[in-house]
Amino acid sequence: EVQLVESGGGLVKPGGSLRLSCVTSGFKFVHKWMGWVRQTPGKGLEWIGRIKSRSDGGTRDYAEAGRGRFTISRDDSRNTVYLQINSLRTDDTAIYYCNTDPRDWGQGTLVTVSS
Amino acid sequence: QAVVTQEPSLTVSPGGTVTLTCGASTGPVTSDHYPYWFQQKPGQAPRTLIYDTNNKQSWTPARFSGSLLGGKATLTLSGAQPEDEADYYCLLSYSGARVFGGGTKVTVL
Repeated sequence: EVQLVESGGGLVKPGGSLRLSCVTSGFKFVHKWMGWVRQTPGKGLEWIGRIKSRSDGGTRDYAEAGRGRFTISRDDSRNTVYLQINSLRTDDTAIYYCNTDPRDWGQGTLVTVSS
Repeated sequence: QAVVTQEPSLTVSPGGTVTLTCGASTGPVTSDHYPYWFQQKPGQAPRTLIYDTNNKQSWTPARFSGSLLGGKATLTLSGAQPEDEADYYCLLSYSGARVFGGGTKVTVL
């Protein structure tokens, strides 16, 4: 069974940083492109970015809006993908989902940015 | 960045048929955009219904189908059930990025 479990969310002050993790199981992680998507409360889905598999170059692509503040990385030995968010703003408050770019999804982790 | 457009809301009668569309500001949607469709119910994570235009996940009910029509990606629900009431999002792929549509709220009434 494919499983993706996000963690690392919580309450953060504006200007702070956060690293979200997504631990996966049930599939060959090393071969998968992995992505992150967020959803602001009551709003739609926003694609953040993705990281390709090492065999496909391991390159990263990001949405224009978050380029520079978001960094996606992966640890194939831990079947885990990460999302680093810097210079957090109140409008980064959202549920953050990881996915297998983009077919299988986790349940998400809530990030709240507030002073 | 491309803008992907969906109907904000649609209503369908139980047992009826409804078609959701997904258009792009960049021009016609083609199979090269690898259209995806997701269903999201309140309080739940999205789940994939359709990938690469018209391929179904193992859990996708047969009443859902995807296609390309008139320069847009479409999701057709034939024989709507009360449990199909949800938000539906399309996703298009561009070189180096993916873009979601704004979502369609489908009401079964």
